[in-house]
Amino acid sequence: EADIYQTPRYLVIGTGKKITLECSQTMGHDKMYWYQQDPGMELHLIHYSYGVNSTEKGDLSSESTVSRIRTEHFPLTLESARPSHTSQYLCASSPGYSQGNTEAFFGQGTRLTVV
Amino acid sequence: AQSVAQPEDQVNVAEGNPLTVKCTYSVSGNPYLFWYVQYPNRGLQFLLKYITGDNLVKGSYGFEAEFNKSQTSFHLKKPSALVSDSALYFCAVRGYGQNFVFGPGTRLSVLP
Repeated sequence: EADIYQTPRYLVIGTGKKITLECSQTMGHDKMYWYQQDPGMELHLIHYSYGVNSTEKGDLSSESTVSRIRTEHFPLTLESARPSHTSQYLCASSPGYSQGNTEAFFGQGTRLTVV
Repeated sequence: AQSVAQPEDQVNVAEGNPLTVKCTYSVSGNPYLFWYVQYPNRGLQFLLKYITGDNLVKGSYGFEAEFNKSQTSFHLKKPSALVSDSALYFCAVRGYGQNFVFGPGTRLSVLP
């Protein structure tokens, strides 16, 4: 079982609210990722980080922002939630080049519904 | 640029029969290849990987995959399917120094 945790698992929130989705890993991985996935559909990379104080936007444009102040923590924030943000958000981590450079490990996901 | 294709949106197989889920890829240099499975309302769960070495790799739950460099394929296989194997399967590729690229997914249904 991978040691990467996402909270909350499910969130229903009103339009205009600010939300933060939490992601933490205890494996000491350098790389972390956020993916957006509609149920049963493909994954879209929205943010990634190669280490502390490093963040980059992914392939899919997103109104969310991320931060990486500590190696183990990679939260995603939406300043003003909208119904179009309704989706599942998956966090993942993987070793860096000096750590083995192999597979990614995924959290259980956060299912966000904006009403 | 890296890319992954999973040509079948859906694969149906009878329980006890062999199953194959197809994946082809494009990447510069040597590929790192992966298969993941996703059950409803869950994250992706790692099944197996090819980094180097034997072309046939074995993974979790009796799954295996064969790396074919000339055909740029990495098909997932299992000799005898179980109803509990029904899920969404993702193939992924990563070139050295690159991010993961995931295929669109294939839904596997194993019929009792």
